[in-house]
Amino acid sequence: AQSVTQPDIHITVSEGASLELRCNYSYGATPYLFWYVQSPGQGLQLLLKYFSGDTLVQGIKGFEAEFKRSQSSFNLRKPSVHWSDAAEYFCAVGDGAQKLVFGQGTRLTINP
Amino acid sequence: NAGVTQTPKFRILKIGQSMTLQCAQDMNHNYMYWYRQDPGMGLKLIYYSVGAGITDKGEVPNGYNVSRSTTEDFPLRLELAAPSQTSVYFCASSPTRIPYEQYFGPGTRLTVT
Repeated sequence: AQSVTQPDIHITVSEGASLELRCNYSYGATPYLFWYVQSPGQGLQLLLKYFSGDTLVQGIKGFEAEFKRSQSSFNLRKPSVHWSDAAEYFCAVGDGAQKLVFGQGTRLTINP
Repeated sequence: NAGVTQTPKFRILKIGQSMTLQCAQDMNHNYMYWYRQDPGMGLKLIYYSVGAGITDKGEVPNGYNVSRSTTEDFPLRLELAAPSQTSVYFCASSPTRIPYEQYFGPGTRLTVT
C-alpha cells in the first residue's frame, strides 16, 4: 500500500532563510505526487504537483519540489521564506486510482 | 466559480444527535471526497464518490454515511454523534484526469460534547 512520511513534525526558520521540507513515499509505480499548504483555520491549497516529465516542478508562492525516484523523495524547497509562509505543509501521493494518501504534515514557523 | 463550498463552518453537537455536513462544488468534477483531520494525524479519508450514485468507503467510515444524488453535492451524515467524531471535516473534489489533484473546501469544525 502507498504511504507518505514527512520526517519533520515542526520546523522553524528565520525570515529570508531557505527552506526544505522532506517527503518520502512508498509506491510501486511512477507516483503522482503533491504538496499542499494549510494556513491556520483554512482548507488545503495545492502548491504543486508531479506526474511525469521534468523532475523539478515549480509551484505557486515561489515553491518548487524535486522528484528523486532513486530516493523515493519529493522534497519541497523555497529559496527565501516570508512570514506569510508560516503554515502546515502536507505531502501526498496518488494511489493509482482516484485517491490520495497524505503525510502527517510539517508545521512551519517563521522567526522574524 | 466558488470551487468547493462547505456548510456549516462550525457546529457543536450533543452526544447522540445527528447532523448533515453539506458539500457542493461547481467545477463539474466527478470525484468527491470527505476527510477528517485530527491534530497531528494528517487527513483520513472517510468516504469518496466517483460519480452520481456511486460511493465507497475510505479508511475511517464507521459512524458516517454519504449519498451522491447529483454531480455537485456530496453530503456527509453523522448518526448518533460521539465525542470521537470531534474533528475538522474537509470535503474535496477532483477532475477525472490524471493526476487527479484534489481541491478542498474550507472545512467544518465539529465538536461533540
